Amino acid sequence: DGGITQSPKYLFRKEGQNVTLSCEQNLNHDAMYWYRQDPGQGLRLIYYSQIVNDFQKGDIAEGYSVSREKKESFPLTVTSAQKNPTAFYLCASTEFGTDSNQPQHFGDGTRLSIL
Amino acid sequence: QKEVEQNSGPLSVPEGAIASLNCTYSDRGSQSFFWYRQYSGKSPELIMFIYSNGDKEDGRFTAQLNKASQYVSLLIRDSQPSDSATYLCAVNTDTDKLIFGTGTRLQVFP
Repeated sequence: DGGITQSPKYLFRKEGQNVTLSCEQNLNHDAMYWYRQDPGQGLRLIYYSQIVNDFQKGDIAEGYSVSREKKESFPLTVTSAQKNPTAFYLCASTEFGTDSNQPQHFGDGTRLSIL
Repeated sequence: QKEVEQNSGPLSVPEGAIASLNCTYSDRGSQSFFWYRQYSGKSPELIMFIYSNGDKEDGRFTAQLNKASQYVSLLIRDSQPSDSATYLCAVNTDTDKLIFGTGTRLQVFP
């Protein structure tokens, strides 16, 4: 089945540690996105990528990094510089570039907590 | 700052009733409007999208858009307990990003 796979489902981070969240899609979609969701808040855009080897900062990129070496993969690293990483992280994709007239489809999410 | 506003709820309706969920947005240039359903602990799932003024129906769901009033709504007819979830409104901007509202929690009681 085509879709977006995020792993792991739950992740725990120790103080000073970097952790990487995986996002893989087999939809052949061009664009991929990372959002963060905190309780009672809307989704906030961290990074997005329209094509391989290109990505742009979203509204809350500080403390995060991404790469887009393959079309189907867009991993997110939460660095030790992100002082409040506890949140629900969502990966999304759109078929044709980052034209926001298209609906975005989401993976199942990764819940990150601090140990 | 571009914003999307939703009443956080909860909106409580009896089974079989019509649930009406509302969303206002600040960017007059917005052209695309999306409704997502999010069950507790799960990721958002696309329900409807609408681009033109007026109504768009899909099964029990109707999206209504009024660009002059900067208002988009979602009606759920014959509400079921399984419709109980948080409904997120998302609106595009001229920078090609989506802005999400904080969501309205809907509770449908038997």
